Amino acid sequence: DSGVTQTPKHLITATGQRVTLRCSPRSGDLSVYWYQQSLDQGLQFLIQYYNGEERAKGNILERFSAQQFPDLHSELNLSSLELGDSALYFCASSVGGRQSTDTQYFGPGTRLTVL
Amino acid sequence: AQSVAQPEDQVNVAEGNPLTVKCTYSVSGNPYLFWYVQYPNRGLQFLLKYITGDNLVKGSYGFEAEFNKSQTSFHLKKPSALVSDSALYFCAGDGSSNTGKLIFGQGTTLQVKP
Repeated sequence: DSGVTQTPKHLITATGQRVTLRCSPRSGDLSVYWYQQSLDQGLQFLIQYYNGEERAKGNILERFSAQQFPDLHSELNLSSLELGDSALYFCASSVGGRQSTDTQYFGPGTRLTVL
Repeated sequence: AQSVAQPEDQVNVAEGNPLTVKCTYSVSGNPYLFWYVQYPNRGLQFLLKYITGDNLVKGSYGFEAEFNKSQTSFHLKKPSALVSDSALYFCAGDGSSNTGKLIFGQGTTLQVKP
């Protein structure tokens, strides 16, 4: 158990809908990262937050957004969902966020299925 | 563009034999390299990382990795494979971007047969 929690574990929804994925980092970690894992794209970095502020952005669609709250938990919002958004979404956390050397610890993931 | 590649989709080894899972990288600046393992329906578990210093890095569960700058490789190794090592292995890298944005390889499935 990494100490990173994600809810829900599974999510099934329809095209065009909006969902929110939640992540709680390990105690003491200030950075939260979101990744998408799909069969065709592999594991892709979406976005990073450090102590409430956006730190880095990857291949995140405009329909997706995220935020990190004062208690350091983070939410990833996915809107206008398409079939291709079906994937496993991982959250990871690390102590810092300004160093590439920090180890990221991953949560168990949320499996999103868009029908 | 920065990239991490795992040239083998699958590696098969017999239990008790040594195993190697290959990884090559192309990153700017000093490479920071990581290995993670993913078991079915689980998140990624950290195995080890190379930041600087000794080219042979020791990690969890008896795994180690050898950093080779001239060959731009970071292969994962274990002297004696266990059936329980069967899983999906990911190599990841970050080229001193100072953020923590990891670039992952496509993953290699390790199958250890009894």
